[in-house]
Amino acid sequence: EAGVAQSPRYKIIEKRQSVAFWCNPISGHATLYWYQQILGQGPKLLIQFQNNGVVDDSQLPKDRFSAERLKGVDSTLKIQPAKLEDSAVYLCASSLRSGYGYTFGSGTRLTVV
Amino acid sequence: ELKVEQNPLFLSMQEGKNYTIYCNYSTTSDRLYWYRQDPGKSLESLFVLLSNGAVKQEGRLMASLDTKARLSTLHITAAVHDLSATYFCAVSQHNNNDMRFGAGTRLTVKP
Repeated sequence: EAGVAQSPRYKIIEKRQSVAFWCNPISGHATLYWYQQILGQGPKLLIQFQNNGVVDDSQLPKDRFSAERLKGVDSTLKIQPAKLEDSAVYLCASSLRSGYGYTFGSGTRLTVV
Repeated sequence: ELKVEQNPLFLSMQEGKNYTIYCNYSTTSDRLYWYRQDPGKSLESLFVLLSNGAVKQEGRLMASLDTKARLSTLHITAAVHDLSATYFCAVSQHNNNDMRFGAGTRLTVKP
């Protein structure tokens, strides 16, 4: 089966600019997650979707981050405006249902300069 | 708040030696995961442990779970260079599907 697809792989932007990341989960996976992994740390959950509804966004900095999952398939994560501390790898993961069999994508490495 | 601690954070070992990575978590959990991450790569699922006393083995890696002690171990037997990577444990709770990760253990196996 095809894995979780993410794009772009790399992105370099200046602070205060905007950026968007895209994720296509494994077909049939109802649950989708966005994680932020800062260099040298473990991934931190930003937002969890169940189909097209938000289950948990308690750790999403909502003043600058937004995410959507229209039609319950693809998802986009946006940062506007970006700060230097947003430099990280943004990982998308999906699973058939919450808590089981997470599959991670390759991630998008964001550098804010 | 659920917290996950791993130790050691850095581990350098010789090929052929054995070692154990420890993962402690702060509150009751019903699932514990071990992942491997190679530099610049995504996370690869190694094990999912669901119950007290669970033990799973794959090749030179064996994971175990003690829910009473809130402790999981990842034991490496006769290490080889290919095992060099960062290993993460992660924990989730039934009423909160947020998977909380430890900081990771960066393992280097020297020939």
